[in-house]
Amino acid sequence: GQNIDQPTEMTATEGAIVQINCTYQTSGFNGLFWYQQHAGEAPTFLSYNVLDGLEEKGRFSSFLSRSKGYSYLLLKELQMKDSASYLCAVRDSNYQLIWGAGTKLIIKP
Amino acid sequence: ETGVTQTPRHLVMGMTNKKSLKCEQHLGHNAMYWYKQSAKKPLELMFVYNFKEQTENNSVPSRFSPECPNSSHLFLHLHTLQPEDSALYLCASSQEGGGGSDEQYFGPGTRLTVT
Repeated sequence: GQNIDQPTEMTATEGAIVQINCTYQTSGFNGLFWYQQHAGEAPTFLSYNVLDGLEEKGRFSSFLSRSKGYSYLLLKELQMKDSASYLCAVRDSNYQLIWGAGTKLIIKP
Repeated sequence: ETGVTQTPRHLVMGMTNKKSLKCEQHLGHNAMYWYKQSAKKPLELMFVYNFKEQTENNSVPSRFSPECPNSSHLFLHLHTLQPEDSALYLCASSQEGGGGSDEQYFGPGTRLTVT
C-alpha cells in the first residue's frame, strides 16, 4: 500500500529552528508538496520538490531525497504565527496526491 | 470573492436529511476536488473533476453524490448520512488536474456534524 509518515506533533521555541520530517512509500513519484493548515482554516501551499536537493523560500526550506523516500520542511526564526499543522503529500504514478496525516507544530514563547 | 469559497461553513444534519455543500472557485482553474478531513487522519480524496468531467471516484459511498455544472462550481449532495461521516469537507481547485507542480488551492471547508 501507499504510505506517508510524519510525526504527529512537535513543539519548538519562538526564534528557534525546527525540522519536520516526512517519509513516503508510494507507487511511483511525481513530486512532493508541503502545505500549512492553521486550525479551522484551509490548507495553503508552501513548497514543491521534484528533484533531489534543497528549495529555499524565505524562512521556509524543503529538502527531498528520492532514493531515500524522504523529505523535510525546515522552518527558521520561528514565529508564533507558525503554529499550525504541516501536511506532506506525494504525487504518485497516477498523478494522484497521497497525503500524510499532518504534523501539528506548537510554538512556545 | 477571491480564491475558493465554500458554503455553508457549518452544517448539522440528521441521518434522514438531504443537504448540499457548495464550492465556487474564482481562479479560472479547470480541475476541482472534494476531500474529507477527519481528525488526525490524512486527507481523503473523494472526487475529482477535470473540465467538468468526473475523473476520480475513490470508492465513495453512494450517499455522497457530486455535481459539477461548470468549471467554477462544485456541489456535494448528501443524503442518509451516518455519524461516521461527520468531518471537515474541503473543496480544492487546480489549474490542470494532475501534472507537475500543479498546486491545489483549498476552500475553508464545511464542518459537517451528523446526528
